[in-house]
Amino acid sequence: ETGVTQTPRHLVMGMTNKKSLKCEQHLGHNAMYWYKQSAKKPLELMFVYNFKEQTENNSVPSRFSPECPNSSHLFLHLHTLQPEDSALYLCASSQARPRGNSPLHFGNGTRLTVT
Amino acid sequence: GESVGLHLPTLSVQEGDNSIINCAYSNSASDYFIWYKQESGKGPQFIIDIRSNMDKRQGQRVTVLLNKTVKHLSLQIAATQPGDSAVYFCAENSRGTTDSWGKLQFGAGTQVVVTP
Repeated sequence: ETGVTQTPRHLVMGMTNKKSLKCEQHLGHNAMYWYKQSAKKPLELMFVYNFKEQTENNSVPSRFSPECPNSSHLFLHLHTLQPEDSALYLCASSQARPRGNSPLHFGNGTRLTVT
Repeated sequence: GESVGLHLPTLSVQEGDNSIINCAYSNSASDYFIWYKQESGKGPQFIIDIRSNMDKRQGQRVTVLLNKTVKHLSLQIAATQPGDSAVYFCAENSRGTTDSWGKLQFGAGTQVVVTP
């Protein structure tokens, strides 16, 4: 149990499908993140939510739509994806403190394949 | 542009030996650095961090060294075990603070393979 749970672990979807990735953190953190991990490339930050407010959007295409209903849950809604969107999608959380954030805690990711 | 990178994509280490994983960074304003470990099928796991006002920090079997002069970071693992086989990432915060991880930059990773 990592403290950050992601579902599903694996997802195969066609380019015309609509699906959602779910993340739940059990650590009491107040910031949540979506990262994309492609083979042999550095982790790419997609979105950041602090206290449920989106504070970062790293030029992510609109076919990815995040939702953060509360500080424990984060979703990534997917629609009309492209094959190059196939990757491991990682959710992370951290705790903002007066003297700086705690390190990121990652979930085990959702392996997404777009066919 | 600013970047964080790793010198070696794969490191093969014999069980019981010490491992050294290197990382170069280019942003002179970076003042916070982190090492993560990612095992197959899992997400990255925090190992150790260091601020730029330090040049060495030790944890359990791990030591991080920071050389700001040459912008170089290394992770040393003592008495490497089979469970240490994983991909190791360095990361730096380009904002120079830990107020937000919105600008955290990761390296591509080094695969460590522990052989018996």
